[in-house]
Amino acid sequence: EDQVTQSPEALRLQEGESSSLNCSYTVSGLRGLFWYRQDPGKGPEFLFTLYSAGEEKEKERLKATLTKKESFLHITAPKPEDSATYLCAVLAGGTSYGKLTFGQGTILTVHP
Amino acid sequence: GAVVSQHPSRVICKSGTSVKIECRSLDFQATTMFWYRQFPKKSLMLMATSNEGSKATYEQGVEKDKFLINHASLTLSTLTVTSAHPEDSSFYICSARSPGQGAGELFFGEGSRLTVL
Repeated sequence: EDQVTQSPEALRLQEGESSSLNCSYTVSGLRGLFWYRQDPGKGPEFLFTLYSAGEEKEKERLKATLTKKESFLHITAPKPEDSATYLCAVLAGGTSYGKLTFGQGTILTVHP
Repeated sequence: GAVVSQHPSRVICKSGTSVKIECRSLDFQATTMFWYRQFPKKSLMLMATSNEGSKATYEQGVEKDKFLINHASLTLSTLTVTSAHPEDSSFYICSARSPGQGAGELFFGEGSRLTVL
């Protein structure tokens, strides 16, 4: 059974204090690992796709990395507007392109 | 960019009634849409895959007679929660992939919060 575990469950940072979120996964034949951002009461917003170990993607203050067992979402000099729940999801080989397995998310709060 | 719209965003109903939630892809055609359910501070759980012109595919443990899915056109899928009970209260979110997007790169609707009294 595919599993995704995110840590920490919640993270509080001061503005400008860089940190990382972790996503550990077990999946049969990783087809892709995805990071989404979700604001309260909203649907998730797609951020990144990572396909293979060693791959990195960047967008503004966010950088996602991937190993064979886990992915990290690095947040550099965060701002209050980065506050949200960050979701990690995996797509296993042989499954429908939308059949994602999600982690429980990390709630990030950035204080000014 | 591609947009997926859900309606209503919030609905409160009495126990025993049925509620319909609509999911529309506004600027692309979606032959397949996905319905997820999210409990507070929990991950999204895939309920079913909605296929245009054919029956939905339900995940294990999801009652197909309780959660009726209809994908009548390439831009519209509906989820009907029949004979709703308080335990059906949840955040329901639909998603779809725009042509040209990679597998797993989904556009999600804004979600619909259902409260059953």
